[in-house]
Amino acid sequence: GESVGLHLPTLSVQEGDNSIINCAYSNSASDYFIWYKQESGKGPQFIIDIRSNMDKRQGQRVTVLLNKTVKHLSLQIAATQPGDSAVYFCAENEGPGGYNKLIFGAGTRLAVHP
Amino acid sequence: GAGVSQSPSNKVTEKGKDVELRCDPISGHTALYWYRQSLGQGLEFLIYFQGNSAPDKSGLPSDRFSAERTGGSVSTLTIQRTQQEDSAVYLCASTPRRGNQPQHFGDGTRLSIL
Repeated sequence: GESVGLHLPTLSVQEGDNSIINCAYSNSASDYFIWYKQESGKGPQFIIDIRSNMDKRQGQRVTVLLNKTVKHLSLQIAATQPGDSAVYFCAENEGPGGYNKLIFGAGTRLAVHP
Repeated sequence: GAGVSQSPSNKVTEKGKDVELRCDPISGHTALYWYRQSLGQGLEFLIYFQGNSAPDKSGLPSDRFSAERTGGSVSTLTIQRTQQEDSAVYLCASTPRRGNQPQHFGDGTRLSIL
């Protein structure tokens, strides 16, 4: 992902709506992708991951979609809650045979309004 | 403890001083990673340990940065002759083994260089 400096892109949603956070990745050799949630003053918290042999994976209230053709990853959060407000990062590995060095995007801020 | 522990949580020091940051990974985790997060940015890989050895130090920004890991557990990241551009949050993560899996992060050390 590209750096956007201090001005993170922000997605504002109403409580109860569904949220979709998008991420473009650059390395076509990447075979592992992961989403993290980061709250202020905390370390990143794992949400969900997906391997390149899949195009969709579901968790509790979250779904990750992978489109390898256009190198696009998305995180869908169902019935967004105020506690979902945070910065969300996508990350990819360097490719097969690696040791899971992660390359992070710049992040998207999710703001949930009551 | 149950998670990755980092200390200190905050460190303020004068330019030119040396600092040492500590990471205590999850017990039994053989792989350990250091990342740096500047304000409003994504995470930048610094170094990876497998056991006590560091097969990839490619992310260390200069020779003022070094890290070690002893006993396959605790790791220290040392920054010598600190500069203002070293100000950032330094995050540590660990995984049970080498390979693609979620990295578990600590809450980081916020380093401020005056």
